[in-house]
Amino acid sequence: AQKVTQAQTEISVVEKEDVTLDCVYETRDTTYYLFWYKQPPSGELVFLIRRNSFDEQNEISGRYSWNFQKSTSSFNFTITASQVVDSAVYFCALSEGYNQGGKLIFGQGTELSVKP
Amino acid sequence: NAGVTQTPKFRVLKTGQSMTLLCAQDMNHEYMYWYRQDPGMGLRLIHYSVGEGTTAKGEVPDGYNVSRLKKQNFLLGLESAAPSQTSVYFCASSSQLAGKETQYFGPGTRLLVL
Repeated sequence: AQKVTQAQTEISVVEKEDVTLDCVYETRDTTYYLFWYKQPPSGELVFLIRRNSFDEQNEISGRYSWNFQKSTSSFNFTITASQVVDSAVYFCALSEGYNQGGKLIFGQGTELSVKP
Repeated sequence: NAGVTQTPKFRVLKTGQSMTLLCAQDMNHEYMYWYRQDPGMGLRLIHYSVGEGTTAKGEVPDGYNVSRLKKQNFLLGLESAAPSQTSVYFCASSSQLAGKETQYFGPGTRLLVL
């Protein structure tokens, strides 16, 4: 069965610190997609990144970077020089693929608090 | 281009009452989804649709029904609300085209069942 585990329930850092959010997934599919979403205090879900199972290249977007490692079934998210505006709940999610309806399986989320 | 919209934003129901949540998308997406979010549990899939006129059950479908009569709309119904259905409900949509499979979410509907 597919599963996503975000073992860190809450993380608190001081502004400008680097922080890594962990995500471990389980799937028997050879084709799948991994996602990160951000949920700020206002409540909406903001898409951050999608990665397919064939692309293990790391991705960097500004202060955000993602490390995908199939060997350890992990898709970790790092924020460099964190800012107060990064305070949010972050969700990692797994999709089984679109021949199965593209359903997302979410982790429980990691609540990040960045203090000034 | 409004993306995904949800109506209403907030609702209070009494146990046993019924209601319908409306989701609309203007991105011509084929796939649509309803999730519920409860504290400490992430989001869980209730029902989904891969096209107009088709629906399927997700992880937690009991107590809910859905309909997709038009491509742009996906309705979630509660026939007899229960306190356990107090939650935040999110609708999402996505394209089925390769490379464009990302799900985009509506702003959510907060439902309180007394």
